[in-house]
Amino acid sequence: IAGITQAPTSQILAAGRRMTLRCTQDMRHNAMYWYRQDLGLGLRLIHYSNTAGTTGKGEVPDGYSVSRANTDDFPLTLASAVPSQTSVYFCASSDSETPGPYGYTFGSGTRLTVV
Amino acid sequence: AQSVTQPDIHITVSEGASLELRCNYSYGATPYLFWYVQSPGQGLQLLLKYFSGDTLVQGIKGFEAEFKRSQSSFNLRKPSVHWSDAAEYFCAVVDSGAGSYQLTFGKGTKLSVIP
Repeated sequence: IAGITQAPTSQILAAGRRMTLRCTQDMRHNAMYWYRQDLGLGLRLIHYSNTAGTTGKGEVPDGYSVSRANTDDFPLTLASAVPSQTSVYFCASSDSETPGPYGYTFGSGTRLTVV
Repeated sequence: AQSVTQPDIHITVSEGASLELRCNYSYGATPYLFWYVQSPGQGLQLLLKYFSGDTLVQGIKGFEAEFKRSQSSFNLRKPSVHWSDAAEYFCAVVDSGAGSYQLTFGKGTKLSVIP
C-alpha cells in the first residue's frame, strides 16, 4: 500500500441497501476526509476527521456516517442508499490539522451507482 | 464560510497556445490556495499550492499561478499547452483563519486542447 487505498473501485447498489466505502492510508496522517464529486458541482465535503476518535460534518453529510477508530482507516457508510447518492467518492488525508502548507493526498475514488 | 468560484466551465485552446484558468475566492483571513488536475476517470493530482511568500508559484508540468490579494484571485497559467493537458482543473482554498481546515473546491474548469 502506498498512499491512500479506496475500495471498492466501483459498485452498483440497490436502493435501500447499506454500503460501506473503505479508505485506508499508510502515511500516518492525522486528518482524513470524504468528498463526493458530481458533474458540474465539483467536490463537496461529506465528513472529516481531524484526528483518530473525532469526526465532523462537512457540507453534505445527510445520509452518510463515518467513524475513525484508528489513524489509518476512515470508512464511509451509507445506511440506506438512495439514487441521489450516485456519485464518485474520494477519500483524502493530510498530515496536520492545519494542512495548508502540506496539502492533501487523494485516493483514486469509488464510483457508486445506486439503482 | 469560504467559497471558490471558477467562472469558466469549459475552455478550448489550441495546442501550443497560452492558457489562463481563473479562480476567485472569498476567505476570512489567510488563505491557503491550491490547484488540482483530474484526468478522465482518474483521481486528483496537486499542481501547485500557495500559503505564504512569493505570490508567483511554480508547479508541476510547467504550470504557474499568481496570488493577487487585492483581486481575491489565484489564476493558473501555462505559456504553451500540450495535448496531454486536456483535463479538468479545480481550484481549492483552505481558510486557515476560520478554525476549520477542510478544502473547499470550485466547480472545476474543463480544458479541451485542439491538436
